[in-house]
Formats: sequence, structure tokens, C-alpha cells
Amino acid sequence: SQELEQSPQSLIVQEGKNLTINCTSSKTLYGLYWYKQKYGEGLIFLMMLQKGGEEKSHEKITAKLDEKKQQSSLHITASQPSHAGIYLCGAPKGSYGQNFVFGPGTRLSVLP
Amino acid sequence: DAEITQSPRHKITETGRQVTLACHQTWNHNNMFWYRQDLGHGLRLIHYSYGVHDTNKGEVSDGYSVSRSNTEDLPLTLESAASSQTSVYFCASSDLRSTDTQYFGPGTRLTVL
Repeated sequence: SQELEQSPQSLIVQEGKNLTINCTSSKTLYGLYWYKQKYGEGLIFLMMLQKGGEEKSHEKITAKLDEKKQQSSLHITASQPSHAGIYLCGAPKGSYGQNFVFGPGTRLSVLP
Repeated sequence: DAEITQSPRHKITETGRQVTLACHQTWNHNNMFWYRQDLGHGLRLIHYSYGVHDTNKGEVSDGYSVSRSNTEDLPLTLESAASSQTSVYFCASSDLRSTDTQYFGPGTRLTVL
């Protein structure tokens, strides 16, 4: 079955620093979604990538999907305390399946 | 604005009791999902529905049931609560296509004593 791995598991950075979170799939991805979760809250959709080589940006967050569609990275530029939280990647299990599998999450702390 | 809500947000119950968690969405989405989130396991799918009167088991469905009588609601029932079911439960919904974004509710924190 398809699994998603994320690295690092947790990350502590100083405000203003750049950082990257990775998500790797054991199988070809039919789409890759990035979510952010704050403690005690639900998941907030950030971005969706579908095509190999695709890159999307929203404010200071950029996500990329590699050409082989098995790895994605989430890059935050000039991090702020508001970026702190848990970042999860998720993907549909197949081209026709509406079920999702999620990575274990990366916990980000940003020190002021 | 369309939204997805869950109730209650917090629940404490005793072992053996039946518990029902509510999920209501106003997106008019066909697909609805229930997940549980636990440290070390991430998000795991419990049950899902592709439409009214359709329900399917996810990877951790034992001890849980759902029913879908309308588009907006997918209640999750714990038939006889167990301490192993202490968790945070999230409901999500998405539109028809397999690659549509899933939108999540705020979660219900359930403690079984």
C-alpha cells in the first residue's frame, strides 16, 4: 500500500530563517496536498500539486513536486512565528480512489 | 460561507458507553471521511462515504460505524467505547473527483475513561 514519509520529524528554526520539509511516496503520486495544523485545530489546506515538476507559491511558502511524482518539498522563506505548526502531506491512494493517505507530519517551531 | 462543523468539540465518556460524534458540512460535497489522529500514527481513515446511503470501511474501522442518510451529515458511532479509542477525531469532505481537496472540520477530542 502507498505510504508517505516526511522529514524531518520536527524542526526548530530562528525567525527569519528559511526551511524545507520533504514528503516522499513509495509509489507514484496522483496528486500531493500540503496541509497545516495548529495545535488543537483541524487541518488547513495549503496547496495541491498534480503535475510532475509543478511548483506553487502562496505568500512565503513554495511547494514543488518532482518530475517523477514521488517526492514533494515545502519551502518556507523568512520564517515567522505564525508559520509554526504541524505540516502534513497527503495524497489520494490511486487515480480513481478518493481515499487519502497522510504522512506523519513535521512539527515546526519558530523562535522569535 | 460553506463550512464543515463537528460536535461536540470535547467529550469524556466511560468504557462501554455508546458515543456518537456529529459531522455536518454545507459544501454539498459527495464524499465524507472520518479520521482519527494519534501520536505516532498520524491520521488514519476510519470510515468514508461517497454519497447518500453509501458507507465504506477504512483501515481502522473496528468498533466504529457510520450512516449517511443525507448529503450534509456523517455521524460516527462508537458502539461500545474503549480506552484505545481515546483520540482526536476529524471529519473531512471533498467533491466528486478523486483528486479533489479534502476540507477538514475542527476536530473532536474524545477521552474514554
